Amino acid sequence: DAKTTQPPSMDCAEGRAANLPCNHSTISGNEYVYWYRQIHSQGPQYIIHGLKNNETNEMASLIITEDRKSSTLILPHATLRDTAVYYCIVKDTNAGKSTFGDGTTLTVKP
Amino acid sequence: DVKVTQSSRYLVKRTGEKVFLECVQDMDHENMFWYRQDPGLGLRLIYFSYDVKMKEKGDIPEGYSVSREKKERFSLILESASTNQTSMYLCASRAFSYEQYFGPGTRLTVT
Repeated sequence: DAKTTQPPSMDCAEGRAANLPCNHSTISGNEYVYWYRQIHSQGPQYIIHGLKNNETNEMASLIITEDRKSSTLILPHATLRDTAVYYCIVKDTNAGKSTFGDGTTLTVKP
Repeated sequence: DVKVTQSSRYLVKRTGEKVFLECVQDMDHENMFWYRQDPGLGLRLIYFSYDVKMKEKGDIPEGYSVSREKKERFSLILESASTNQTSMYLCASRAFSYEQYFGPGTRLTVT
């Protein structure tokens, strides 16, 4: 699996968009980008994933650069409940395991 | 909704005890995983299984074993618990090629 690099922490004002970057410069052609988040004292929760096209669901949007070497998770209107650690993972969907890095601790402030 | 349950939220064991952590999923997922999570170290994969009776080592398998006798159940075993195995243990399951669903975690303290 390709390695990812994320900033260790970010702050965001409540109601604003939170943009969380992830670098994955060694991603290969068959690897997807996945995002999970972990709210304190809970197990990680799936958010979104994509291959090369931008994706949007009820939780977030995922923007993947054309060269696929980086991506951005966007929470369009952050709430206090979005405070969590956000993990970016790249993996082949057929691969058994996922490797979670340190993630980004997002703190949403009122 | 997918449900992944773990046998205990909190567990306290003594050094040298044998510890069983149970995980059950109700969505007929092929793949199941055990992670541990420690401050500053993130989530680390211990073992995973892609089918009944099949298991693969993750990144930190030492001191652990696993059992998958039924598709819905994946057990993590600490043969002789040690204090450095005090941690949060997270189980996850996944259909063949999609997202993982995590359980609530078991916070194990070994004294």
